[in-house]
Amino acid sequence: QSVLTQPPSASGTPGQRVTISCSGSSSIIGNENVYWYQQRSGAAPKLLIYKNDQRPSGVPDRFSGSKSGTSASLAISGLRSEDEADYYCAAWDNSLTGPVFGGGTKLTVL
Amino acid sequence: EVQLVESGGGLVQPGGSLRLSCAASGFTFRSYWMHWVRQAPGKGLVWVSRINRDGSSTSYADSVKGRFTISRDNAKNALYLQMNSLRADDTAIYYCARDKDWVMFDYWGQGTLVTVSS
Repeated sequence: QSVLTQPPSASGTPGQRVTISCSGSSSIIGNENVYWYQQRSGAAPKLLIYKNDQRPSGVPDRFSGSKSGTSASLAISGLRSEDEADYYCAAWDNSLTGPVFGGGTKLTVL
Repeated sequence: EVQLVESGGGLVQPGGSLRLSCAASGFTFRSYWMHWVRQAPGKGLVWVSRINRDGSSTSYADSVKGRFTISRDNAKNALYLQMNSLRADDTAIYYCARDKDWVMFDYWGQGTLVTVSS
């Protein structure tokens, strides 16, 4: 049971906009930046969003992140079949002296 | 091109030991903190350990503290994870990851599978 809570699944049809939530606490997310990772089946995770809403070069602007209070969200617009993957939020946990990941959300493109 | 290549995984009996390696190339290895992250079969990502640039500071997840040791050899551009007293729940793919800024893991290896079973 992670301290960052994500819905286990999400789905959408091509072209739709979907959002994935990540809920934490005041000590995690509330005071820390949030990061998002995409993991396609059989592959290593890939950095998708850093510092709440920043996209690394090469990540399409269809992906966007936001944070408010103790929650964060990943939005994917113009959904494509290649977006089908597991998505993880992450943040620093000072009590752990290390990062903590959310449980992951499996996105299905119908 | 930045590359991280893990090795050393395999099948080990409960109570046994294993040493994982992560060979880094394409960047100035000594300039980055490095981490190990694992993923049990069908499960999510779990942080395992981190090490600072010169190896003088390390930290561990509670689940591996006292059993695992992270280290690095900057002359060889290599990261290591010595795993002792292995348990069945240590079974996972182990990834090494480069830390650009706290939780910003901008490059990951392909992972190495560790299976703990009798």
